Amino acid sequence: RKEVEQDPGPFNVPEGATVAFNCTYSNSASQSFFWYRQDCRKEPKLLMSVYSSGNEDGRFTAQLNRASQYISLLIRDSKLSDSATYLCVVNEEGNYGQNFVFGPGTRLSVLP
Amino acid sequence: DAGVTQSPTHLIKTRGQHVTLRCSPISGHKSVSWYQQVLGQGPQFIFQYYEKEERGRGNFPDRFSARQFPNYSSELNVNALLLGDSALYLCASTATGLVGEKLFFGSGTQLSVL
Repeated sequence: RKEVEQDPGPFNVPEGATVAFNCTYSNSASQSFFWYRQDCRKEPKLLMSVYSSGNEDGRFTAQLNRASQYISLLIRDSKLSDSATYLCVVNEEGNYGQNFVFGPGTRLSVLP
Repeated sequence: DAGVTQSPTHLIKTRGQHVTLRCSPISGHKSVSWYQQVLGQGPQFIFQYYEKEERGRGNFPDRFSARQFPNYSSELNVNALLLGDSALYLCASTATGLVGEKLFFGSGTQLSVL
């Protein structure tokens, strides 16, 4: 079983749609959680951190369920510019240092 | 302020050669990490360095090595290149390398092994 799993995608949605991405992680000792966005052939960029209480940033809402080891990202009123790959990221710390574990990503295409 | 900078941006090598990739972290950041991203997959952790010392190592063969310099810049070396080493190599920096900090990435080095 992979450490971080995501919806396989791709997701093709029309402008203005609401889209949700799901992510599960296997290491219950994971300590911090993020969503990163990656445009084609570019570096990943931080979209938002994910907190247990849930958090919102404009059209984006992230949720964390530690008991279920589940993370979600909701995008409302999607824009063409939201087209990208969304990476779920889990940060573990052990005797191997600060290890950010990335999921495989879910590709989103927002269509006009 | 400059972000994380990496060089070169692109590189073509043949099997068996070695390669050195370079990274300069964000000013004031002391921790540098290296990731390999194969097409269609998420980045995979290779190394983390903090204050010139290796703090973490991912599941990569000994052909991969790295170091960090007193100015916190870093090099990733890969020996005896294989076709499977073709990937985007990403460098990321954080201030202290502690859990909870956000990773900031450079634009990467695209390595092609022929």
